[in-house]
Amino acid sequence: EVRLVESGGVVVQPGGSLRLSCEASGFPFNDYAMHWLRQVPGKGLEWVSFITWDALSTYYTQSVKGRFTVSRDDSKNSLYLQMNALRPDDSAVYFCAKEMGGSGTQPIDHWGQGTLVTVSS
Amino acid sequence: SFVLTQAPSVSVAPGQTARISCGGDNVGSKSVHWYQQRPGQAPVLVVHDDTVRPSGIPERFSGSNSGNTAFLTISRVEAGDEADYYCQVWESSSQVVLFGGGTKLTV
Repeated sequence: EVRLVESGGVVVQPGGSLRLSCEASGFPFNDYAMHWLRQVPGKGLEWVSFITWDALSTYYTQSVKGRFTVSRDDSKNSLYLQMNALRPDDSAVYFCAKEMGGSGTQPIDHWGQGTLVTVSS
Repeated sequence: SFVLTQAPSVSVAPGQTARISCGGDNVGSKSVHWYQQRPGQAPVLVVHDDTVRPSGIPERFSGSNSGNTAFLTISRVEAGDEADYYCQVWESSSQVVLFGGGTKLTV
């Protein structure tokens, strides 16, 4: 059974930093691209970033470019999102997700339950 | 930039057919994926690559995509189908994953 468990969501002040983690199990982690997505409660889904299976390529939505960094540690079956220069509009539930392939361009077939990030003074 | 447009809400009686649209400029040239999100839960993939149903998804769920509109069709709608539905594509020109704004299905 595929399992994705996010952690690291907290309340942080504007301008602060945060690192989200996602521990994966139940599938060969190093074969698949992994994504981060977010959702403001009551609003729609927004893709944030993905990293390819081999970690050679990373992509970001425009609003987080230069502030967020996605990475993976295949030895720990873990995905990370380093979030810097946080803004109030970064507040959301952040989901870790696995896609069906390794390129980052395939459908997302498994999602974690999410971790809540609140950026507020 | 490419935009996916979904109606905010669709209402259907139990046992009827729901048709949820996803509009975009020549979206028929892209592969569209559909997700169901029930309240308080993570999204679930219900149709991918326009028409493919993942294992475990009922045959009542089907998809189509042509021209400027993709559709998710849910036949014999049940109360448990009440959820938000999102379409998604990979936009290769700008190299981003795009979601529609979501459609709330009320049964």
